[in-house]
This record gives sequence, structure tokens and C-alpha cells, in this order.
Amino acid sequence: EPEVTQTPSHQVTQMGQEVILRCVPISNHLYFYWYRQILGQKVEFLVSFYNNEISEKSEIFDDQFSVERPDGSNFTLKIRSTKLEDSAMYFCASATGIIGEKLFFGSGTQLSVL
Amino acid sequence: SQQGEEDPQALSIQEGENATMNCSYKTSINNLQWYRQNSGRGLVHLILIRSNEREKHSGRLRVTLDTSKKSSSLLITASRAADTASYFCATRGSGGATNKLIFGTGTLLAVQP
Repeated sequence: EPEVTQTPSHQVTQMGQEVILRCVPISNHLYFYWYRQILGQKVEFLVSFYNNEISEKSEIFDDQFSVERPDGSNFTLKIRSTKLEDSAMYFCASATGIIGEKLFFGSGTQLSVL
Repeated sequence: SQQGEEDPQALSIQEGENATMNCSYKTSINNLQWYRQNSGRGLVHLILIRSNEREKHSGRLRVTLDTSKKSSSLLITASRAADTASYFCATRGSGGATNKLIFGTGTLLAVQP
């Protein structure tokens, strides 16, 4: 079965550094998402992306965050200047073009900001 | 904004027993979905129920939806140790072009062998 892949699985960075989290969504999917989960807490929506632009974003997704689909396969989340509170598991997800259907999640990138 | 709240927060049962988890939400929905998360892993879709449906089955899973009470339940019958995981409900809003899912707080299920 096709799957969403995320790299790296773990990322350790110093506060203030830029990080790029990478995702390869399922190839025929049209909607792409980033979610995050702080340890032991709920899964929080960050941003959705469709037709090469952001379709929705949450309050968490401030100017420090950006997303890009640089080619036909990758979908990236960039955090420009990381803060301690950005430490979390970041999940990429994708979905078909049918509104309302299920999301397929990657295994996540555990980001630790020191 | 809508928000799913699951209860209980944690549930411990013996293998073979049934597990019931509940989810409440606040606003109108297009559909409600249940996901499973094994420790440290991504979420896996289990089942989707639309706002005009009241009950749905998939294998050992049974989901109900009561839109008048804005609540849903997930029943896992004849539980197995491998069912040990966190279970989340997620709602998709009705109207507009929103395509995001809002996740609840989750129920941590432990099935003792």
C-alpha cells in the first residue's frame, strides 16, 4: 500500500537554528498537511496545502513557519528560527482530491530544540 | 472552533473484553473519523462516519454518531493485546471549503493479555 514518508525521523537542533522537515506524500494525492503533537498532548493542525498554495493555517503557523512543494514529490515544512516550544513530533499527511475523506499520515519527525 | 474531547482519557481492560471510547464535539460536522496511534508512530485511519449516518461497522469496530448530542462512540469488540494504542476522534467541519481535520484529546487503551 502506498505510504507517506517523512525524513528525518529525528532532528536535534539548537534554539534559533532553521530546520526543514521533509515529506513525500502519496503520489496521486492533492491535499497536503502538517500537524504536530507535543509529547502526551493532542494532535494539532498547522497548515493545509492545495494547488500549490496554503489553503488553511492555524494560529500556531506564524511567520516562523513556511511550507513548500519544490517539485512534484516533496512537501517541506521550514521553521526559520526554532524555539524550545517547537519541540514536538511533526506529522505530514496527504489526502486525495475528494473533500472530506481520510488522511494518510507519515510516521513523523521528532524535533528536539535544545 | 470545533474540538473533539474523548473520554475516558485512559482505559485498561483484559484481552477478550470490549472497549468503548466516546468523543464529543462542538460544532456542525461533515464527517467524523477515528484514528489509531501506536506509541511514537503516525496516525492510522480506522473508520469514517458521515453526518447522515448513525452507525457503521468495520471488522471488530463499531462506530455510532449522534449529531443531536454531538457525540460519537467507538466500540472495539473482543479486544486483543495488539489493540493497545491511543485512539483519536477527528472531525471535519461542514460548509465552506475546509478540508482539515481537528483531532480530539485521545483515549489511551491498554489491553492486558
